[in-house]
Amino acid sequence: EAEVAQSPRYKITEKSQAVAFWCDPISGHATLYWYRQILGQGPELLVQFQDESVVDDSQLPKDRFSAERLKGVDSTLKIQPAELGDSAMYLCASSEGTSPLLEQYFGPGTRLTVT
Amino acid sequence: DAKTTQPNSMESNEEEPVHLPCNHSTISGTDYIHWYRQLPSQGPEYVIHGLTSNVNNRMASLAIAEDRKSSTLILHRATLRDAAVYYCILRDAFGNEKLTFGTGTRLTIIP
Repeated sequence: EAEVAQSPRYKITEKSQAVAFWCDPISGHATLYWYRQILGQGPELLVQFQDESVVDDSQLPKDRFSAERLKGVDSTLKIQPAELGDSAMYLCASSEGTSPLLEQYFGPGTRLTVT
Repeated sequence: DAKTTQPNSMESNEEEPVHLPCNHSTISGTDYIHWYRQLPSQGPEYVIHGLTSNVNNRMASLAIAEDRKSSTLILHRATLRDAAVYYCILRDAFGNEKLTFGTGTRLTIIP
C-alpha cells in the first residue's frame, strides 16, 4: 500500500539554527499539506499545495517558515531560525485533489525538539 | 468552520463495542461529518465520513442523528490496536476544504 514518506523522523536542533523537513507524497497525489501538531493538541494546517502552487499558507509564520514543492511532487518545509516554541510534530499529508470529500493520507511525521 | 464537541477521554474493554459521540449543533446542510484517528506516534488516518445516512466500512460505522446535530462513531469489536485519539471534523462540501482538528477523544482499550 502506498504511503506518504517523511524524513527525518526525529530532529534535535538548537535555537537559532536552520532545520528542514522533507515529504514525498503518494504518487499521483496533486495536493500536499504540511501540519504542525503541538503535544496534546490536534494537527494545525500550515500550508497547502496544489501541484507546485501554494493554495493556503495563512497559518504559516512566514518570517521564519518557508515551504516549497518545486516540481509538484516532493516538498520541503524549512524553519530558519528555529525557536523553542517550534518544538512539535510536523506532519505531511497528501490527497488526490482539493475536494473536501477526499481522504487525506498522513505520513509518520517528524518530531522536532528545539533546545 | 463549524465546531464539534467530543469527550476528552473514554475507556472500553477489549472485544466490546465502542460508541464515540460527537456533538455538532451548528452543522450546516452541506457539512460532511468526517472521522480521523491518530494511533500513538503516528500520523492521523481516515476512518469514515457521512452526510445524512448511516455509513459502514471495514473499520467502523457512523450513525448520524436525524437532525444531524450529533453523530456516533461505532467500533463494533474494539481491539488493543484501536487505542487512539479520535477526531470528529466537519467539512463543508462546497466551502473551505481545510481539515480543522480539535483535541479529539482519547480512547483507551482495557485488555
